[in-house]
Amino acid sequence: DTGVSQNPRHKITKRGQNVTFRCDPISEHNRLYWYRQTLGQGPEFLTYFQNEAQLEKSRLLSDRFSAERPKGSFSTLEIQRTEQGDSAMYLCASLEFPYNEQFFGPGTRLTVL
Amino acid sequence: AQKVTQAQTEISVVEKEDVTLDCVYETRDTTYYLFWYKQPPSGELVFLIRRNSFDEQNEISGRYSWNFQKSTSSFNFTITASQVVDSAVYFCALSGLWQGGKLIFGQGTELSVKP
Repeated sequence: DTGVSQNPRHKITKRGQNVTFRCDPISEHNRLYWYRQTLGQGPEFLTYFQNEAQLEKSRLLSDRFSAERPKGSFSTLEIQRTEQGDSAMYLCASLEFPYNEQFFGPGTRLTVL
Repeated sequence: AQKVTQAQTEISVVEKEDVTLDCVYETRDTTYYLFWYKQPPSGELVFLIRRNSFDEQNEISGRYSWNFQKSTSSFNFTITASQVVDSAVYFCALSGLWQGGKLIFGQGTELSVKP
């Protein structure tokens, strides 16, 4: 296992469409995090999971966003009815709790036209 | 509230110069962790270092060194004898012990090392 992977790497969609991203963490890592990064800014926390349980959601995560980690392994992040303001890089990270170095995936760059 | 400030938006140096990236943080947590990540043009964040709030010992790793000063809430990063491959955006981040491990990032400093 070489690291955190994310798919797709790029997604272009039209406003109003739904999109889904996938994150595969490092296999022994029990925590998984989603962040969003806009141009020229640092990543902002969205949500995180401990195994399959979603433990915290940022207020940045509107009701159009939903995340799952059904079997405590991979995770999906879905955005419904996309808006142009959703255009960003979506980053996934994992760590092996209680250690707290997070390892990031390459990100999914979303462009909403 | 937790906050990380990286006041330097962009820094440009010539190869072999030393450069220091500043990071100032705010937190009410008594136990917390500080991090530096590197984001090269490819976009993937690369972990560089973690520091615990109760360990103020400075650290050196090759050309990289970190100066943690609790008294001034700063965690600065110095690259000695910079190289072109050091060109990237560098992020400082903070995580409180009871914050679930989520990272609060600064705005980042874009370092450009010219040959």
